[in-house]
Amino acid sequence: EVQLVESGGGLVQPGGSLRLSCAASGFTLSNYAMHWVRQSTRRGLEWVSGFHSSGDIYVLDSVKGRFTISRENAQNSFFLQMNSLRDEDTAVYYCVRRRNYLDVWGKGTTVTVAS
Amino acid sequence: DIQLTQSPSFLSASVGDRVTITCRASRGINSYLAWYQQEPGKAPKLLIYAASTLQGGVPSRFSGSGSGTEFTLTISSLQPEDFATYYCQQVNFYPLTFGGGTKVEIK
Repeated sequence: EVQLVESGGGLVQPGGSLRLSCAASGFTLSNYAMHWVRQSTRRGLEWVSGFHSSGDIYVLDSVKGRFTISRENAQNSFFLQMNSLRDEDTAVYYCVRRRNYLDVWGKGTTVTVAS
Repeated sequence: DIQLTQSPSFLSASVGDRVTITCRASRGINSYLAWYQQEPGKAPKLLIYAASTLQGGVPSRFSGSGSGTEFTLTISSLQPEDFATYYCQQVNFYPLTFGGGTKVEIK
């Protein structure tokens, strides 16, 4: 079964850091473009960052310089390093596979930025 | 950035009703548009891609149309399991963007 499982969310103070992980099963992650999408009540669904099929990395302007994506092919895993977190980064973060479109989503992990 | 405007943002309908949701793009995106369904507490699920192609396993009562800047999602006969929130999304340009959602509730 094709599946994505996120982990690493939690409560963090403004200015803090978190690293989200996404474990893939049922397919080889390195064969696909992988993305992070977040969802909050205030901002709705918002694409964050991802690898294009070309290998290029794209990043939402509001997180540029703070968030970095990476992948570890041997672990079949995908990551989102989030630094200098702000209140507005509070959201459920989804790991998503892109095969032209966002066809497989994880269940999400919740990030809360608050003091 | 491409803005996607969905309408209505909320609709109340009965089982068996025909429902149409519209998504307008701030500039042309060819047919690079998808529709997702999201139930409360769950991740979005891909329903339609390339504006009109049904994702595998999605019932045929769902259909999509449009190109350029105007798109529609139609549910031909609403079923109890269709009460959810629907989002459009464009993949023609980065940043990828989503519409604000349409919540379909039981009348």
